[in-house]
Amino acid sequence: SAVISQKPSRDICQRGTSLTIQCQVDSQVTMMFWYRQQPGQSLTLIATANQGSEATYESGFVIDKFPISRPNLTFSTLTVSNMSPEDSSIYLCSAAATEIQYFGAGTRLSVL
Amino acid sequence: QKEVEQNSGPLSVPEGAIASLNCTYSDRGSQSFFWYRQYSGKSPELIMSIYSNGDKEDGRFTAQLNKASQYVSLLIRDSQPSDSATYLCAAPNAGGTSYGKLTFGQGTILTVHP
Repeated sequence: SAVISQKPSRDICQRGTSLTIQCQVDSQVTMMFWYRQQPGQSLTLIATANQGSEATYESGFVIDKFPISRPNLTFSTLTVSNMSPEDSSIYLCSAAATEIQYFGAGTRLSVL
Repeated sequence: QKEVEQNSGPLSVPEGAIASLNCTYSDRGSQSFFWYRQYSGKSPELIMSIYSNGDKEDGRFTAQLNKASQYVSLLIRDSQPSDSATYLCAAPNAGGTSYGKLTFGQGTILTVHP
């Protein structure tokens, strides 16, 4: 299994600012993903982080709002840009070397 | 129609009972299925994966897959209060490979009371 370190674990941010979330995996993985989980809801996929190329975004998510980087096979970042209170949520990264996805601990974001 | 749908909860069972969690999926081409457990305030952790029709047992957990009926279930025997969590069913996105994206069900909240 993969061990995934995600930081920050939580943050409180002001409206209009940006936050970058980092995800580090302890081994090289093929796939990395970013999810959002609203309180009491299931996971919604934001995008697939592709190594060396632009991320693939799901419907309803755009690069300008959620820019993603993946410079190598063990690291990725998600930026939540120009935040509003509606962005308050838990953001999770996951990684998969095989068909099984493992999750980081998540980032709990509150936007005031 | 949702691609992965779980039976509505919450589900409450007494300690020692069998908890039964169900999930249906729409993509007949799906080959692999996963059950994740998520404790409150924590991230999902994989507890079972199943790829073939029939049952797969791991300790107190049994996953059952019926591809003809397009459902997958998770049975928890001798339920313990520590099993109280949200259980998420997941399957590969329609048209995707098993190494690709997953679609998660809405989750079933399980409470095991002493």
